[in-house]
Amino acid sequence: GAVVSQHPSRVICKSGTSVKIECRSLDFQATTMFWYRQFPKKSLMLMATSNEGSKATYEQGVEKDKFLINHASLTLSTLTVTSAHPEDSSFYICSARGTSGRAGNEQFFGPGTRLTVL
Amino acid sequence: GENVEQHPSTLSVQEGDSAVIKCTYSDSASNYFPWYKQELGKRPQLIIDIRSNVGEKKDQRIAVTLNKTAKHFSLHITETQPEDSAVYFCAASISNQGGKLIFGQGTELSVKP
Repeated sequence: GAVVSQHPSRVICKSGTSVKIECRSLDFQATTMFWYRQFPKKSLMLMATSNEGSKATYEQGVEKDKFLINHASLTLSTLTVTSAHPEDSSFYICSARGTSGRAGNEQFFGPGTRLTVL
Repeated sequence: GENVEQHPSTLSVQEGDSAVIKCTYSDSASNYFPWYKQELGKRPQLIIDIRSNVGEKKDQRIAVTLNKTAKHFSLHITETQPEDSAVYFCAASISNQGGKLIFGQGTELSVKP
């Protein structure tokens, strides 16, 4: 199957700083990437849909100025958590959707980034 | 928007028994229904999926059924093994709306040896 990587896998930062998380599709072109947030023992909550070359579409209740998303190429999307606070601590997972075939529907998930804000 | 409900939240079975997890969805336009297995701290892994033009799909010990009229779909795992223990998520998606997935709440499956 297709491979999606995320970097970093784990980050600890001080309150008030910004953190950037990268999501890369390694062996396919992803026209669409998705960002999810997952709390312990909870489901994946869709935050936003990121389309290459256009502005991200945010889900209701997600602050776009807080969670900046950039999808500059067909293989890279970034999520920047600005002015992070302890309540932003969570597991952030990206997924990438290909352009055709099986990848046209299936989403391939990254390994996730554990963010801890002190 | 789409809403997906998943039951039960926890399920404990003996090794060798079957496990069934059920989901309902609200948007009749949804046409793609994947199931994911997630182990602690790991990424979700697709285990099986079904599209709305199919009523049932099977892959070895795993099967999924879909009832479009009732808007529900189910995951069936037969001959469960301890390594099947994980959290399972159902999801629903509308392909022509960008394919975003709306997930159910998850089911923590425990298979006791």
